[in-house]
Amino acid sequence: DVKVTQSSRYLVKRTGEKVFLECVQDMDHENMFWYRQDPGLGLRLIYFSYDVKMKEKGDIPEGYSVSREKKERFSLILESASTNQTSMYLCASSLALRLAGEELFFGEGSRLTVL
Amino acid sequence: EDQVTQSPEALRLQEGESSSLNCSYTVSGLRGLFWYRQDPGKGPEFLFTLYSAGEEKEKERLKATLTKKESFLHITAPKPEDSATYLCAVQANQAGTALIFGKGTTLSVSS
Repeated sequence: DVKVTQSSRYLVKRTGEKVFLECVQDMDHENMFWYRQDPGLGLRLIYFSYDVKMKEKGDIPEGYSVSREKKERFSLILESASTNQTSMYLCASSLALRLAGEELFFGEGSRLTVL
Repeated sequence: EDQVTQSPEALRLQEGESSSLNCSYTVSGLRGLFWYRQDPGKGPEFLFTLYSAGEEKEKERLKATLTKKESFLHITAPKPEDSATYLCAVQANQAGTALIFGKGTTLSVSS
């Protein structure tokens, strides 16, 4: 069965802290994504990666960075957390963007609260 | 600009009361339209992919249809366990494009 695992389901951090959200997939997928989900705004793409060490900005990359050193792992980094980054963060993976209609497989989500 | 709009935002049904959710989209060439189900506090779960106008797909009480401008998710004789948020997403034809999601329709089915 396909699996996308996010390291933390719930996190509480303080303003200015550096935050790492980890995501691992066991499906040998090429593409990995980070979204954030907020009430009334839906899912918004932060960053995605279509290969190891490659990354592309999504719609809202400001305040975030990512790292993909291994194919199965994609990390989202908040260099200096702020209260407006309080949100549900969702990691996803897909086989290959170049194929038609490749669905995303999502993790369970990481709910981050920044105080 | 590529865009996805879902309606209604929320829908309350009685058990057995069939209805439809709408997903309108504008995209510069459609590669695929996706439907997901999301339960509270969980990640979205894939339901369907539709590729071209006229295509239909079914799964239990759900049936998804696609035209050139919109997609419908028909729910026949819903049960309380169908209560969830249903998300629509599109992928444009340009190489390397990620999915664009609508804001979702939250369905509540009461017995």
